[in-house]
Amino acid sequence: QQQVKQSPQSLIVQKGGIPIINCAYENTAFDYFPWYQQFPGKGPALLIAIRPDVSEKKEGRFTISFNKSAKQFSLHIMDSQPGDSATYFCAATVGGGADGLTFGKGTHLIIQP
Amino acid sequence: GAVVSQHPSWVICKSGTSVKIECRSLDFQATTMFWYRQFPKQSLMLMATSNEGSKATYEQGVEKDKFLINHASLTLSTLTVTSAHPEDSSFYICSAWGGGNQPQHFGDGTRLSIL
Repeated sequence: QQQVKQSPQSLIVQKGGIPIINCAYENTAFDYFPWYQQFPGKGPALLIAIRPDVSEKKEGRFTISFNKSAKQFSLHIMDSQPGDSATYFCAATVGGGADGLTFGKGTHLIIQP
Repeated sequence: GAVVSQHPSWVICKSGTSVKIECRSLDFQATTMFWYRQFPKQSLMLMATSNEGSKATYEQGVEKDKFLINHASLTLSTLTVTSAHPEDSSFYICSAWGGGNQPQHFGDGTRLSIL
């Protein structure tokens, strides 16, 4: 049973465009939703995270939109650059970092120059 | 920022060998450490959760006698893959949590190849 569904599986965007990656969750007990960026051969790096008491959070060029009633959240990357090309994972957990993370299947993002 | 180091980064060994992977939190004390497994082009799957001085909690389907986890200090956890076979070949990644509102910080993973 996949508890966090992520789409699209892959995405190609021109430099400067705004890629949007979507995730939906099933477990209403989840209360912490981070996004990770992973380059080949490396571990995931935390980009930004949100809790369900807010509908949007922005850090630099990264924005999370959160819809609690729909059980959906999304990542927007503003002014995308070729260096943003990576695999992005959404995740969810209960209790912040205290519990293991349930990851989406990942989105392979390519930013074309 | 918080740094988590994994060692080795890559290991190749023969079938039947046991392999130990170390995960260290370098600049903070980790209340809890987690071990994940990632197959090529797939997502990370939680294998087990370990707290310092306690027995690890394994996810359903993960053999605790196959994947031995030791968390002897607040900065070190080890994963030992016992009697490894080719199907155990994967990317093993640890993360560490320092408590409170801190997020989990991930190591750079260990690529295990069993011949």
